[in-house]
Amino acid sequence: SQKIEQNSEALNIQEGKTATLTCNYTNYSPAYLQWYRQDPGRGPVFLLLIRENEKEKRKERLKVTFDTTLKQSLFHITASQPADSATYLCALDMLTGYSTLTFGKGTMLLVSP
Amino acid sequence: DAGVTQSPTHLIKTRGQHVTLRCSPISGHKSVSWYQQVLGQGPQFIFQYYEKEERGRGNFPDRFSARQFPNYSSELNVNALLLGDSALYLCASSLETGNSNSPLHFGNGTRLTVT
Repeated sequence: SQKIEQNSEALNIQEGKTATLTCNYTNYSPAYLQWYRQDPGRGPVFLLLIRENEKEKRKERLKVTFDTTLKQSLFHITASQPADSATYLCALDMLTGYSTLTFGKGTMLLVSP
Repeated sequence: DAGVTQSPTHLIKTRGQHVTLRCSPISGHKSVSWYQQVLGQGPQFIFQYYEKEERGRGNFPDRFSARQFPNYSSELNVNALLLGDSALYLCASSLETGNSNSPLHFGNGTRLTVT
């Protein structure tokens, strides 16, 4: 069966360090992978999209990699700040052709001052 | 510009009742999707509508239904509520370009509690 796995335990890091979150998937062949941020009681907010033919994508302090051989995406936040504390969700398209995403459970990131 | 708006923000219902949740997409967005998010889980796809037609349906029972209006707003209806329907219901809109790389813009959801 299709499965998306993200670190189930919260990730605690010190301010200024680089946070690395992992998204692994099985039995999928996604054309795109997206990362979202979700704060408590709020809807997810889109961060980055990476295509299967792209190895890496950057946006300010954020970097995403996509390895279709390993079936894995890594999400990096450099120079992390307490304001980066949130749950981060990875999502894969279902290849329906219409913006339909399958989400992982998300990883909670806690950045301490 | 206003983002995706959902109403109501919170709702408490009793088992067996029905509920209607409403969503207004970002201006210019023609696609609306509904997701259910149970505590501790990621959002799970329920429906997608584009130009008032259902384009996708997730693995949810027939008690769940939705529709999209000419102004692209949408309603999600759930009949015969069960305790397990308690969740955050998220609406998302997107610029539908006919492929799956359009980011979703989510509202802040309706928190439904079934007692």
